[in-house]
Amino acid sequence: NAGVTQTPKFQVLKTGQSMTLQCAQDMNHNSMYWYRQDPGMGLRLIYYSASEGTTDKGEVPNGYNVSRLNKREFSLRLESAAPSQTSVYFCASSDRAAFFGQGTRLTVV
Amino acid sequence: GQSLEQPSEVTAVEGAIVQINCTYQTSGFYGLSWYQQHDGGAPTFLSYNALDGLEETGRFSSFLSRSDSYGYLLLQELQMKDSASYFCAVRDGSGNTGKLIFGQGTTLQVKP
Repeated sequence: NAGVTQTPKFQVLKTGQSMTLQCAQDMNHNSMYWYRQDPGMGLRLIYYSASEGTTDKGEVPNGYNVSRLNKREFSLRLESAAPSQTSVYFCASSDRAAFFGQGTRLTVV
Repeated sequence: GQSLEQPSEVTAVEGAIVQINCTYQTSGFYGLSWYQQHDGGAPTFLSYNALDGLEETGRFSSFLSRSDSYGYLLLQELQMKDSASYFCAVRDGSGNTGKLIFGQGTTLQVKP
């Protein structure tokens, strides 16, 4: 009964380092999403994938890349981390309702 | 572009009823949904409306008027544990695979 599994839970990066956030869902959903949430703010869409093999930019895609590896997995990559990317990142999958991973708290110093 | 408007904060007392409104503007529309998020946690799904009218799930109800681009979440018999942020979200585009866009969230504080 895993739902959406997101790793890691916490990460500290130095400016310029790269990392990949992993996300997998076991609900056979077509749509998957990556959001970032800053303190006191809503969820801003970074990228989404309507189906395996397709990805589209959201509201704040700059500095990020994504890969929809298969129907289950949707990863988010920061190629050269910047302090402005310090945030909480959520992966989600959906059919009618969206289900979220537990979040990744990323700090870039 | 797409946008959703909801109040930033609402305060109510335990046992009361509170309504959180949401107005939206999207190029397409495929359902309005509501989510709850406690501090430090992930959003969790509460309710979904694809058609006009009221959907009831226990103490929570959600309403949609597509002609007014408006919906609300109604929380009854408020409990302290209902203190959280509440987000409305719309799917923008066609079908069940468009972007899922969220409002800024409404912080609900329930007082004893």
